Amino acid sequence: GAGVSQSPSNKVTEKGKDVELRCDPISGHTALYWYRQSLGQGLEFLIYFQGNSAPDKSGLPSDRFSAERTGGSVSTLTIQRTQQEDSAVYLCAAAWTANYGYTFGSGTRLTVV
Amino acid sequence: GQQLNQSPQSMFIQEGEDVSMNCTSSSIFNTWLWYKQDPGEGPVLLIALYKAGELTSNGRLTAQFGITRKDSFLNISASIPSDVGIYFCAGQLYYGGSQGNLIFGKGTKLSVKP
Repeated sequence: GAGVSQSPSNKVTEKGKDVELRCDPISGHTALYWYRQSLGQGLEFLIYFQGNSAPDKSGLPSDRFSAERTGGSVSTLTIQRTQQEDSAVYLCAAAWTANYGYTFGSGTRLTVV
Repeated sequence: GQQLNQSPQSMFIQEGEDVSMNCTSSSIFNTWLWYKQDPGEGPVLLIALYKAGELTSNGRLTAQFGITRKDSFLNISASIPSDVGIYFCAGQLYYGGSQGNLIFGKGTKLSVKP
């Protein structure tokens, strides 16, 4: 596709429920990243996929967070048993190679009530 | 862990003014990037810097990769109303062909002077 697509754009969920966020990157981009942006804050790294290598999960804040990337393309970020502090904008980004800037999607705004 | 200090946190601009912001790090980076984020959108890449000392322009924007590889600045000349938004610096350290993740500053929010 022409850009990085994320869905849903907005999600309101009840505390304790599981949510799944989707990222559809640009075709051919081997690297995919998830970031979290809380209100008025910078971007917090969550997880990074590069080709067929094991993902870098070092940024995941707890074991309630997990992510998959199927077939080197679409990625899903799952948050189990959501908490109010999980409320944030979740951004996905894709890149061609190491020496190139990322292209971000518009994000999913998650609100846990 | 690696941290980026971005300043100022916020600033007000009047049309026509020049604007300057910077980022410093306790660690070195191979790449410095500057992004702009508008409300409800993801960050958009403005300028990418790949070499220490590099000075790069993109229209009215100019950015430099510090010689020490631990800092970068972004200048906006002759600002216009559409320059308002949040600007983020980001550093990337990659090695052995493997791409490291981007570390972001907390952003500089540009607003129009009332």
